[in-house]
Amino acid sequence: DAGVIQSPRHEVTEMGQEVTLRCKPISGHNSLFWYRQTMMRGLELLIYFNNNVPIDDSGMPEDRFSAKMPNASFSTLKIQPSEPRDSAVYFCASSHPDRGADGYTFGSGTRLTVV
Amino acid sequence: GQQVMQIPQYQHVQEGEDFTTYCNSSTTLSNIQWYKQRPGGHPVFLIQLVKSGEVKKQKRLTFQFGEAKKNSSLHITATQTTDVGTYFCPSGNTGKLIFGQGTTLQVKP
Repeated sequence: DAGVIQSPRHEVTEMGQEVTLRCKPISGHNSLFWYRQTMMRGLELLIYFNNNVPIDDSGMPEDRFSAKMPNASFSTLKIQPSEPRDSAVYFCASSHPDRGADGYTFGSGTRLTVV
Repeated sequence: GQQVMQIPQYQHVQEGEDFTTYCNSSTTLSNIQWYKQRPGGHPVFLIQLVKSGEVKKQKRLTFQFGEAKKNSSLHITATQTTDVGTYFCPSGNTGKLIFGQGTTLQVKP
């Protein structure tokens, strides 16, 4: 298995532009999570899905952020418009709800820089 | 929800010394997981503890779950430079894990 695949690995964009981050979870994992990591705030849970349905989006910072999971093998996190304070590493993780002992598998992350 | 506090936040050790990080909860935990994140990397799942008093070992790493299931520890024997990173014990159930700041370990060669 290739693991959780995120793209792009790095993204540099200008303030005000739209940014779309992509994630392909591990096949068979029914739960998908989006996290954001900064030095100041640590690793924050933004939103998670079970069986493609958003369950908890209370961590999404504001309306500029949106996430979708149109099918079991793909999810996007969109920021529109982007701001410098959105600069962070964004991680996607997936897990199998019936195999909690296997933990979460994280992707390599997308390092976003908004200038 | 469950709130797990982890200490210390930072630890510098000389290579070969032992290292321990502790996680404490105000409520009983159903289980606890441990993750490691290398500098510039992503969190990697290490282990899950479920039973009261459980002890598990992975080479030089020893994980313990308290009898009351309110605390847990990770002990590394004879640290190596490859142990550098941040260790997390996120709280919550497998439906939603909340990560704190973790313990960042630096190892001086």
